[in-house]
Amino acid sequence: AQSVTQLDSHVSVSEGTPVLLRCNYSSSYSPSLFWYVQHPNKGLQLLLKYTSAATLVKGINGFEAEFKKSETSFHLTKPSAHMSDAAEYFCVVSSYNFNKFYFGSGTKLNVKP
Amino acid sequence: DTEVTQTPKHLVMGMTNKKSLKCEQHMGHRAMYWYKQKAKKPPELMFVYSYEKLSINESVPSRFSPECPNSSLLNLHLHALQPEDSALYLCASSQDLQGGRNEQYFGPGTRLTVT
Repeated sequence: AQSVTQLDSHVSVSEGTPVLLRCNYSSSYSPSLFWYVQHPNKGLQLLLKYTSAATLVKGINGFEAEFKKSETSFHLTKPSAHMSDAAEYFCVVSSYNFNKFYFGSGTKLNVKP
Repeated sequence: DTEVTQTPKHLVMGMTNKKSLKCEQHMGHRAMYWYKQKAKKPPELMFVYSYEKLSINESVPSRFSPECPNSSLLNLHLHALQPEDSALYLCASSQDLQGGRNEQYFGPGTRLTVT
């Protein structure tokens, strides 16, 4: 079975400092992994995806994530937080037959001025 | 263009009403999805359509009835809803259901309130 665990429900950083949002996955096959961001009362926006190509994936708005098979992790990072990054972030793993997404419980990122 | 549009943005309906939510995409995607999202929770999958055929129904109550009239449109018909059905309803689409092509693009959602 596939599952995703987001290790922090809330993360708070100061503007201009690095961001780390942690995600561990469980999968019995080579997974497709995604990070999505959701601003309040909005839909979800795809930040980046991993589909068994390069293990370091670059996304939009300066975000990137590294797939580490040995650690079953797919953590999201950004070198310097911006106020506009404050939002809910979801780590997602695709089912083995690609027709379902399994969502983590979400991490709310707060950015302090 | 990676836009999925949803109408209406907000909907308030009584428990005896019949209403419909509409979703549209013009990216040539052949898979479309309905999700329900309660406050402070991740989205929950309701239905998946692939090539205009219902592929997955996640044991959704029959008061929710999906319809895919063509490859660009997805509707969700609502009837006799309960107050606990109040939520944000999200539509998404993907190129298809194959590996490497299944990243989903989400619409902005319809905020539904059942009174």
